[in-house]
Amino acid sequence: AQSVSQHNHHVILSEAASLELGCNYSYGGTVNLFWYVQYPGQHLQLLLKYFSGDPLVKGIKGFEAEFIKSKFSFNLRKPSVQWSDTAEYFCAVNPSGSARQLTFGSGTQLTVLP
Amino acid sequence: DADVTQTPRNRITKTGKRIMLECSQTKGHDRMYWYRQDPGLGLRLIYYSFDVKDINKGEISDGYSVSRQAQAKFSLSLESAIPNQTALYFCATSDPTGTTAGYTFGSGTRLTVV
Repeated sequence: AQSVSQHNHHVILSEAASLELGCNYSYGGTVNLFWYVQYPGQHLQLLLKYFSGDPLVKGIKGFEAEFIKSKFSFNLRKPSVQWSDTAEYFCAVNPSGSARQLTFGSGTQLTVLP
Repeated sequence: DADVTQTPRNRITKTGKRIMLECSQTKGHDRMYWYRQDPGLGLRLIYYSFDVKDINKGEISDGYSVSRQAQAKFSLSLESAIPNQTALYFCATSDPTGTTAGYTFGSGTRLTVV
């Protein structure tokens, strides 16, 4: 079975700082990868996804993520965070071409100080 | 109207009571899911359904049951609620591959068992 690790539980940044949130997965085959964001009091929303092709994926709100197959990683980045990026971020994975459901990481709480 | 609607939004119930959480979707998807979210644990899958006649246990199904009344409706029941079932519950739906557009989540039901 697949698993996902997000090692940063809580990240605190000042506005305009650069962001990188780590995500590593464990699975021997080809995977689909996702980042979701949950703003305070809201449901999860899809930020970006990777299925195949260019390993650098761009999502909404200036976020991007890079799939590094050799490292089993899919780190989320943003060059300059804003106060409105304060939220919890979840990485998720499922095996490609299968009927299996998404497996989520434990989440990273990002707090951006104004 | 939201694509995925969960009712109730908040519920406080007593230990030992039976409670049902409801979910309906307008995406026309066959696949529906129930997750619970706990601080520091991310989202964990309780049950999932790939069509009306196909229901499967997830990672943490003990103490829960589900009913898929129609393509658009998927209910989660706690037969005899206990305090450690206090959590935020999310319903989600996805396209047939589970990947093309990611999952669409409802706004969640915050359940407190006292």
